[in-house]
Amino acid sequence: ILNVEQSPQSLHVQEGDSTNFTCSFPSSNFYALHWYRWETAKSPEALFVMTLNGDEKKKGRISATLNTKEGYSYLYIKGSQPEDSATYLCASILTGGGNKLTFGTGTQLKVEL
Amino acid sequence: NAGVTQTPKFQVLKTGQSMTLQCAQDMNHNSMYWYRQDPGMGLRLIYYSASEGTTDKGEVPNGYNVSRLNKREFSLRLESAAPSQTSVYFCASSDRGKQPQHFGDGTRLSIL
Repeated sequence: ILNVEQSPQSLHVQEGDSTNFTCSFPSSNFYALHWYRWETAKSPEALFVMTLNGDEKKKGRISATLNTKEGYSYLYIKGSQPEDSATYLCASILTGGGNKLTFGTGTQLKVEL
Repeated sequence: NAGVTQTPKFQVLKTGQSMTLQCAQDMNHNSMYWYRQDPGMGLRLIYYSASEGTTDKGEVPNGYNVSRLNKREFSLRLESAAPSQTSVYFCASSDRGKQPQHFGDGTRLSIL
């Protein structure tokens, strides 16, 4: 994989459902993987920065895992709430990349009552 | 707690006009970035500055120039605006690659 790819592109769930998204990234020369939450009409906000293979991070009902050997990360939301509605972006940095992020196109989540 | 400040928030230009988007951060970050956001394209890097005194091209640099004026400020210039540059522009800063990027509120630019 040369680019950062996210799936699904969009997702509609009911309040209370748990959901997960996938981010695929280049596994060669891996340095770090970022997750951001982006609400409409606002700016992206950082959720997690992950660097180690097998890493798991958690923030409230949101958690993420990282597999650097195969080049993927999962973001999980437990018990989705309407306020979780946003676009979730992942981005990777390669070693020697000068702190330069390459973003995926995001997963747009809509949580309905 | 200003973080990353972008000006202006909105701008309408005519084709061929020039303008400079300003960005300043107060977190003493070494690296600063300019992105554009277009529907279905996510965030694409225009230019970045890994540290004061250096700038490098990103994914979509054509039609833009940048200046890292000092550690706080990183400006983006459109010399001759084109309709294809209609977009929302975000500035961001970070300390290192293993630290999150902090984004400004964006500049919505329309070129007629």
